[in-house]
Amino acid sequence: ETGVTQSPTHLIKTRGQQVTLRCSSQSGHNTVSWYQQALGQGPQFIFQYYREEENGRGNFPPRFSGLQFPNYSSELNVNALELDDSALYLCASSWGSGETQYFGPGTRLLVL
Amino acid sequence: AQSVSQHNHHVILSEAASLELGCNYSYGGTVNLFWYVQYPGQHLQLLLKYFSGDPLVKGIKGFEAEFIKSKFSFNLRKPSVQWSDTAEYFCAVNAGGYNKLIFGAGTRLAVHP
Repeated sequence: ETGVTQSPTHLIKTRGQQVTLRCSSQSGHNTVSWYQQALGQGPQFIFQYYREEENGRGNFPPRFSGLQFPNYSSELNVNALELDDSALYLCASSWGSGETQYFGPGTRLLVL
Repeated sequence: AQSVSQHNHHVILSEAASLELGCNYSYGGTVNLFWYVQYPGQHLQLLLKYFSGDPLVKGIKGFEAEFIKSKFSFNLRKPSVQWSDTAEYFCAVNAGGYNKLIFGAGTRLAVHP
């Protein structure tokens, strides 16, 4: 059974740029959730995708957007990057919304 | 707004000491409760979970947690810690059928040999 994978592992961008992060869900899972983890804090929910539709969103501005593909992999896009967007971005997959979420290793984004 | 509070940000123990990490949440309805662990250099892993039934839940590596509904608590325990338990521990709640996990700020545990 393949676990949740994310790419890239690390990324450096400058303020104002755009970034795309990718996530492959665990085999058999149809739901992907994205979280932002700032240094010294717990993960904060960004949004969830269930069967290719957004299924809930946290308190993040519209410049955070996402997609889910027919194979249930997902992308997180962030436009107009700000310094405060520097964080670890975590993807988690589950079999259905509300079920146990299994996390990937994360992508560490640094915005300069 | 729903929230999760972890009482201790840093805990230092010697091997064989007992561990209890506190977790309280604010939500009056049905909850699913989780403890996740993040070992140094590794990703978040599920330690244990409570959905319903017996409020005393056993997880991996000898950890257990007790759900006390009247206290809105889900404390994590281990009778005897090992050096390999050094990690950051996160309590999380999925409340009222909502699809998101709400995490506490985490507790960083250091176990000295």
